[in-house]
Amino acid sequence: DTEVTQTPKHLVMGMTNKKSLKCEQHMGHRAMYWYKQKAKKPPELMFVYSYEKLSINESVPSRFSPECPNSSLLNLHLHALQPEDSALYLCASSQDSRLAGGTDTQYFGPGTRLTVL
Amino acid sequence: QQQVKQSPQSLIVQKGGISIINCAYENTAFDYFPWYQQFPGKGPALLIAIRPDVSEKKEGRFTISFNKSAKQFSLHIMDSQPGDSATYFCAASRTGNNRKLIWGLGTSLAVNP
Repeated sequence: DTEVTQTPKHLVMGMTNKKSLKCEQHMGHRAMYWYKQKAKKPPELMFVYSYEKLSINESVPSRFSPECPNSSLLNLHLHALQPEDSALYLCASSQDSRLAGGTDTQYFGPGTRLTVL
Repeated sequence: QQQVKQSPQSLIVQKGGISIINCAYENTAFDYFPWYQQFPGKGPALLIAIRPDVSEKKEGRFTISFNKSAKQFSLHIMDSQPGDSATYFCAASRTGNNRKLIWGLGTSLAVNP
């Protein structure tokens, strides 16, 4: 099973709202990622968690706050977003490539379509 | 600076034809080269991936060709079908780089029936 699930599928929020995106995987992967994707563009990396610790923050504005409660779950907390933050937000996970048989393959969820009004 | 250059930006192929998408990279430290397929409104799905110790990898109708000296790799889709119509992204990463993928800009493929 190579499934990454994301909720909600769609989210509409105002600029003063606080909301959260959720991601879950049960593949035993120890790296999890948040990406932002605009139409007709490749995914843009936001954050990487490795063994539940934040290992990469691609200079993302503080209105985006990631959280990794455990090895299976990844959240993205949203606050005071701007209309230009409207995009498809993708979660992905991968094994630890340092482990025997581990690979770098990232498995993506279906995404959350976020609209900021 | 675009570290992975992908071409063409868009491609139209007749059903049964061969679709070819090319990528070129600059960083010789890259050691993992995946291709992702993405349908509208969906997340990218891994199609096929290759490491530089092999020159070709085939999975069904999909083949990656890899030319290490030229720093190029390409995706061939044989017997293209309308259901293959999607956006294809090549990417590259290197071990020890916190698994950060460097993406090409994508190719929009349309297969006409």
